[in-house]
Amino acid sequence: DGGITQSPKYLFRKEGQNVTLSCEQNLNHDAMYWYRQDPGQGLRLIYYSQIVNDFQKGDIAEGYSVSREKKESFPLTVTSAQKNPTAFYLCASSTLGGHEQFFGPGTRLTVL
Amino acid sequence: GQQLNQSPQSMFIQEGEDVSMNCTSSSIFNTWLWYKQDPGEGPVLLIALYKAGELTSNGRLTAQFGITRKDSFLNISASIPSDVGIYFCAGRFETDSWGKLQFGAGTQVVVTP
Repeated sequence: DGGITQSPKYLFRKEGQNVTLSCEQNLNHDAMYWYRQDPGQGLRLIYYSQIVNDFQKGDIAEGYSVSREKKESFPLTVTSAQKNPTAFYLCASSTLGGHEQFFGPGTRLTVL
Repeated sequence: GQQLNQSPQSMFIQEGEDVSMNCTSSSIFNTWLWYKQDPGEGPVLLIALYKAGELTSNGRLTAQFGITRKDSFLNISASIPSDVGIYFCAGRFETDSWGKLQFGAGTQVVVTP
Protein backbone atom coordinates (compact mmCIF):
# COMPACT_ATOMS: atom_id res chain seq x y z
CA ASP A 1 0.00 0.00 0.00
CA GLY A 2 1.20 3.51 -0.81
CA GLY A 3 1.44 5.93 2.04
CA ILE A 4 3.44 7.90 4.54
CA THR A 5 4.91 6.38 7.66
CA GLN A 6 6.24 8.20 10.70
CA SER A 7 8.17 6.74 13.56
CA PRO A 8 8.12 6.49 16.44
CA LYS A 9 4.48 7.11 17.37
CA TYR A 10 5.47 8.43 20.80
CA LEU A 11 8.79 9.92 21.78
CA PHE A 12 10.07 11.17 25.10
CA ARG A 13 13.07 13.42 25.40
CA LYS A 14 14.98 14.94 28.23
CA GLU A 15 15.70 18.63 28.11
CA GLY A 16 18.94 19.40 26.32
CA GLN A 17 18.77 16.37 24.03
CA ASN A 18 18.39 16.36 20.29
CA VAL A 19 15.90 13.90 18.83
CA THR A 20 15.16 12.83 15.26
CA LEU A 21 11.71 12.01 13.90
CA SER A 22 11.45 9.77 10.88
CA CYS A 23 9.21 10.28 7.84
CA GLU A 24 9.12 7.93 4.85
CA GLN A 25 6.80 7.93 1.84
CA ASN A 26 6.36 5.50 -1.06
CA LEU A 27 3.98 7.69 -3.05
CA ASN A 28 6.75 8.86 -5.37
CA HIS A 29 6.05 12.43 -4.30
CA ASP A 30 8.71 15.06 -4.85
CA ALA A 31 7.59 17.47 -2.13
CA MET A 32 7.60 16.75 1.59
CA TYR A 33 6.62 18.87 4.58
CA TRP A 34 6.89 18.97 8.36
CA TYR A 35 4.18 20.56 10.50
CA ARG A 36 3.76 21.13 14.18
CA GLN A 37 0.34 20.87 15.81
CA ASP A 38 -0.54 22.33 19.19
CA PRO A 39 -3.97 22.04 20.86
CA GLY A 40 -6.54 24.46 19.47
CA GLN A 41 -4.27 25.68 16.68
CA GLY A 42 -3.96 25.01 13.01
CA LEU A 43 -0.96 23.24 11.60
CA ARG A 44 2.19 25.35 11.38
CA LEU A 45 4.85 24.68 8.76
CA ILE A 46 8.35 23.93 10.04
CA TYR A 47 10.28 22.96 6.90
CA TYR A 48 9.51 21.83 3.39
CA SER A 49 11.44 20.24 0.57
CA GLN A 50 10.55 20.18 -3.11
CA ILE A 51 13.48 18.13 -4.32
CA VAL A 52 16.27 15.94 -3.03
CA ASN A 53 19.13 17.84 -1.37
CA ASP A 54 17.09 21.02 -1.13
CA PHE A 55 14.81 22.31 1.61
CA GLN A 56 13.38 25.61 2.81
CA LYS A 57 12.41 27.05 6.16
CA GLY A 58 8.76 27.36 6.98
CA ASP A 59 7.08 29.67 9.45
CA ILE A 60 8.56 28.18 12.64
CA ALA A 61 11.95 26.67 11.67
CA GLU A 62 13.94 27.90 14.67
CA GLY A 63 15.23 25.01 16.78
CA TYR A 64 14.62 22.42 14.04
CA SER A 65 16.74 20.95 11.26
CA VAL A 66 16.03 18.61 8.34
CA SER A 67 17.79 16.71 5.58
CA ARG A 68 16.60 15.33 2.26
CA GLU A 69 19.17 12.82 1.01
CA LYS A 70 16.58 10.53 -0.58
CA LYS A 71 13.29 11.25 -2.30
CA GLU A 72 11.45 8.91 0.05
CA SER A 73 12.81 10.25 3.32
CA PHE A 74 12.61 13.60 5.14
CA PRO A 75 13.77 13.28 8.77
CA LEU A 76 13.24 16.12 11.24
CA THR A 77 15.63 16.82 14.13
CA VAL A 78 14.30 18.71 17.11
CA THR A 79 17.33 20.33 18.68
CA SER A 80 17.93 21.48 22.21
CA ALA A 81 17.54 25.03 20.91
CA GLN A 82 13.79 24.50 20.46
CA LYS A 83 12.35 26.12 23.57
CA ASN A 84 8.98 24.39 23.62
CA PRO A 85 9.27 21.14 21.68
CA THR A 86 6.37 19.21 23.24
CA ALA A 87 3.84 18.88 20.40
CA PHE A 88 2.35 16.59 17.78
CA TYR A 89 4.49 16.50 14.63
CA LEU A 90 3.03 15.69 11.24
CA CYS A 91 4.81 14.87 8.02
CA ALA A 92 3.09 15.32 4.65
CA SER A 93 3.90 14.89 0.99
CA SER A 94 2.56 16.02 -2.35
CA THR A 95 3.41 16.02 -6.03
CA LEU A 96 5.61 18.94 -7.04
CA GLY A 97 3.37 22.00 -7.05
CA GLY A 98 0.45 19.78 -6.14
CA HIS A 99 -2.49 21.24 -4.29
CA GLU A 100 -3.26 18.19 -2.17
CA GLN A 101 -1.03 17.17 0.71
CA PHE A 102 -1.25 13.74 2.29
CA PHE A 103 -0.32 13.25 5.91
CA GLY A 104 1.38 10.58 7.95
CA PRO A 105 0.02 9.33 11.28
CA GLY A 106 2.12 11.74 13.36
CA THR A 107 4.65 11.55 16.20
CA ARG A 108 3.85 12.88 19.64
CA LEU A 109 6.97 14.31 21.27
CA THR A 110 7.04 14.97 24.99
CA VAL A 111 9.92 16.68 26.73
CA LEU A 112 10.39 15.56 30.30
CA GLY B 1 1.97 32.67 8.80
CA GLN B 2 -1.55 33.87 8.32
CA GLN B 3 -4.23 31.46 9.47
CA LEU B 4 -7.69 31.04 8.20
CA ASN B 5 -10.68 31.89 10.38
CA GLN B 6 -12.59 28.67 10.92
CA SER B 7 -15.89 28.47 12.78
CA PRO B 8 -17.41 27.21 14.88
CA GLN B 9 -14.60 26.08 17.17
CA SER B 10 -16.67 23.14 18.39
CA MET B 11 -20.07 21.59 17.84
CA PHE B 12 -22.12 19.20 19.94
CA ILE B 13 -24.81 17.55 17.86
CA GLN B 14 -27.18 14.65 18.05
CA GLU B 15 -26.89 11.68 15.77
CA GLY B 16 -28.85 12.29 12.60
CA GLU B 17 -28.44 16.06 12.60
CA ASP B 18 -26.71 18.01 9.88
CA VAL B 19 -23.45 19.85 10.55
CA SER B 20 -22.13 22.98 8.88
CA MET B 21 -18.79 24.74 9.30
CA ASN B 22 -16.94 27.38 7.34
CA CYS B 23 -13.63 29.07 6.75
CA THR B 24 -12.94 32.63 5.70
CA SER B 25 -9.83 34.52 4.70
CA SER B 26 -8.97 38.09 3.83
CA SER B 27 -6.93 36.84 0.86
CA ILE B 28 -7.90 35.06 -2.32
CA PHE B 29 -7.32 31.31 -2.49
CA ASN B 30 -7.04 29.12 -5.56
CA THR B 31 -7.55 25.86 -3.67
CA TRP B 32 -9.59 24.80 -0.67
CA LEU B 33 -9.09 21.48 1.07
CA TRP B 34 -11.05 19.89 3.88
CA TYR B 35 -9.45 17.35 6.21
CA LYS B 36 -10.68 15.23 9.10
CA GLN B 37 -8.42 14.26 12.00
CA ASP B 38 -9.16 11.51 14.48
CA PRO B 39 -7.53 11.77 17.94
CA GLY B 40 -3.84 10.94 17.80
CA GLU B 41 -3.84 10.45 14.03
CA GLY B 42 -2.86 12.46 10.98
CA PRO B 43 -5.42 14.45 8.98
CA VAL B 44 -7.16 12.64 6.14
CA LEU B 45 -8.17 14.53 3.02
CA LEU B 46 -11.95 14.58 2.53
CA ILE B 47 -12.62 17.00 -0.31
CA ALA B 48 -10.55 19.23 -2.60
CA LEU B 49 -11.97 22.29 -4.39
CA TYR B 50 -10.28 24.15 -7.23
CA LYS B 51 -12.74 26.61 -8.77
CA ALA B 52 -14.86 29.44 -7.42
CA GLY B 53 -18.43 28.25 -6.99
CA GLU B 54 -17.45 24.58 -7.16
CA LEU B 55 -19.69 22.28 -5.14
CA THR B 56 -18.33 18.81 -4.46
CA SER B 57 -19.75 15.87 -2.54
CA ASN B 58 -18.13 12.84 -0.96
CA GLY B 59 -20.82 10.62 0.49
CA ARG B 60 -22.61 12.59 3.20
CA LEU B 61 -20.08 15.41 2.93
CA THR B 62 -20.56 18.45 0.72
CA ALA B 63 -18.14 21.33 0.36
CA GLN B 64 -18.25 24.52 -1.65
CA PHE B 65 -15.62 26.98 -2.89
CA GLY B 66 -17.00 30.47 -2.26
CA ILE B 67 -17.68 32.78 -5.18
CA THR B 68 -15.42 35.47 -3.72
CA ARG B 69 -12.62 32.85 -3.44
CA LYS B 70 -12.14 33.90 0.17
CA ASP B 71 -14.32 31.33 1.86
CA SER B 72 -15.46 27.73 1.87
CA PHE B 73 -17.93 25.64 3.81
CA LEU B 74 -18.34 21.99 4.65
CA ASN B 75 -21.64 20.27 5.41
CA ILE B 76 -22.12 16.84 6.92
CA SER B 77 -25.58 15.44 6.52
CA ALA B 78 -27.28 12.91 8.84
CA SER B 79 -24.34 12.69 11.25
CA ILE B 80 -23.29 9.35 12.69
CA PRO B 81 -21.01 8.55 15.65
CA SER B 82 -17.93 8.01 13.45
CA ASP B 83 -18.16 11.63 12.28
CA VAL B 84 -16.58 12.59 15.60
CA GLY B 85 -13.24 14.32 15.12
CA ILE B 86 -11.62 17.61 14.21
CA TYR B 87 -12.29 19.04 10.77
CA PHE B 88 -9.71 21.38 9.26
CA CYS B 89 -9.92 23.63 6.28
CA ALA B 90 -6.78 24.46 4.34
CA GLY B 91 -6.23 26.85 1.50
CA ARG B 92 -3.57 27.74 -0.96
CA PHE B 93 -2.98 31.41 -1.71
CA GLU B 94 -3.41 32.53 -5.30
CA THR B 95 0.06 34.03 -5.24
CA ASP B 96 1.90 30.96 -4.00
CA SER B 97 4.04 29.30 -6.63
CA TRP B 98 4.41 26.09 -4.68
CA GLY B 99 2.22 23.99 -2.44
CA LYS B 100 2.18 25.97 0.81
CA LEU B 101 -1.11 25.59 2.64
CA GLN B 102 -2.70 27.79 5.30
CA PHE B 103 -4.72 25.91 7.91
CA GLY B 104 -7.72 26.81 9.98
CA ALA B 105 -7.68 26.08 13.71
CA GLY B 106 -10.21 23.28 13.30
CA THR B 107 -13.81 22.52 14.24
CA GLN B 108 -14.25 19.80 16.84
CA VAL B 109 -17.39 17.76 16.21
CA VAL B 110 -18.96 15.67 18.96
CA VAL B 111 -21.89 13.45 18.07
CA THR B 112 -24.17 12.17 20.81
CA PRO B 113 -26.55 9.24 20.36
